[in-house]
Amino acid sequence: GEEVAQTPKHLVRGEGQKAKLYCAPIKGHSYVFWYQQVLKNEFKFLISFQNENVFDETGMPKERFSAKCLPNSPCSLEIQATKLEDSAVYFCASSQSLQGGVTEAFFGQGTRLTVV
Amino acid sequence: AQSVSQHNHHVILSEAASLELGCNYSYGGTVNLFWYVQYPGQHLQLLLKYFSGDPLVKGIKGFEAEFIKSKFSFNLRKPSVQWSDTAEYFCAVIPSNTGKLIFGQGTTLQVKP
Repeated sequence: GEEVAQTPKHLVRGEGQKAKLYCAPIKGHSYVFWYQQVLKNEFKFLISFQNENVFDETGMPKERFSAKCLPNSPCSLEIQATKLEDSAVYFCASSQSLQGGVTEAFFGQGTRLTVV
Repeated sequence: AQSVSQHNHHVILSEAASLELGCNYSYGGTVNLFWYVQYPGQHLQLLLKYFSGDPLVKGIKGFEAEFIKSKFSFNLRKPSVQWSDTAEYFCAVIPSNTGKLIFGQGTTLQVKP
């Protein structure tokens, strides 16, 4: 597709429940990024993929967060045993490249996760 | 650690005023630089980007930015803002040989009609 598609748009979970977010990158893009926006003005990098391989996971909380990008499937971000502090908007982005003139990360509309 | 710093957190301007938003990054190697805008309730949209060549880049909606390598800066400018420019503005960097786009803290721009 021509845009990054994130589903669902809104997700409400009780504390301790699992949350799973999906992202379909733009066709032909090799790189996928996940970001967490807790406060309106802060994008926290979580993880990036190059095709189905983890490229950089330095931002991922190790204990409860996991992510995958499998061939022929949307990428996913899963939070086990959600906490109140996980409430945020989670953005996915994709890019054709990470260097050079074609580098541009296209962002999805985000998934608003509310943990109650 | 690699980081991006935006000096102005909240800027209030009247229409037709000139705008300059500061952005500095901490990384000694090659970088790709970006400015994104987030209108209320919307996702991030690219305003402009720099990867090489002319350090003065022009983007959409009359925005431009200048890359000054010696100052590690990539400031955003617009000669005359409009009410519709009210939004959040984010500077971002992809350092070479990394797999992440690093964002600054963002600047809230409020333009009064």
